[in-house]
Amino acid sequence: RKEVEQDPGPFNVPEGATVAFNCTYSNSASQSFFWYRQDCRKEPKLLMSVYSSGNEDGRFTAQLNRASQYISLLIRDSKLSDSATYLCVVRPPPFGANSKLTFGKGITLSVRP
Amino acid sequence: GAVVSQHPSRVICKSGTSVKIECRSLDFQATTMFWYRQFPKKSLMLMATSNEGSKATYEQGVEKDKFLINHASLTLSTLTVTSAHPEDSSFYICSAPRGGVDDTQYFGPGTRLTVL
Repeated sequence: RKEVEQDPGPFNVPEGATVAFNCTYSNSASQSFFWYRQDCRKEPKLLMSVYSSGNEDGRFTAQLNRASQYISLLIRDSKLSDSATYLCVVRPPPFGANSKLTFGKGITLSVRP
Repeated sequence: GAVVSQHPSRVICKSGTSVKIECRSLDFQATTMFWYRQFPKKSLMLMATSNEGSKATYEQGVEKDKFLINHASLTLSTLTVTSAHPEDSSFYICSAPRGGVDDTQYFGPGTRLTVL
């Protein structure tokens, strides 16, 4: 099983649509979880951290289910500018101030007019 | 503003030459930096962990003699691709954790290497 596995893509949706991305991770001891966004030929940028209680930032909602080792990202009222690749990122053990991150393959979202 | 910089942003070189890429943390000190490689339409793959004042830790399958890493100061790590070949053409990205209460890793803008 891959360390971080994301839905296969790509997703192609009209403006205004709601889209959900799913991700699973293999190491149950993992502690920190993130969604990063990567635009074409650019570096990844942090979109949001993911907490067990769920968190929302504007049109974006992230959820973590530790029991199922499952992370999700929901984008409501999608905009053209949301078109990008979304990376599910997990911090597995060993932990420390400088511990590694593990990246999913990413899922590409295209929002069309 | 950017907190991690990389230089150069793009390099084209002939096969057999060596290429040095710099990664700098701009407003914080980083005892650790990470080097990744990303091929087109593929995920970021961690190559190595750069440790200030000690040897880098390489991931399985990454040749340490091919990819030389030097972390000479708390704000600078360099990756040298030695005797580059066309198959080394890729997007190289560094990242640095800010540390403290900030759990985030900040990425440099990346270096696109093309080996002819």
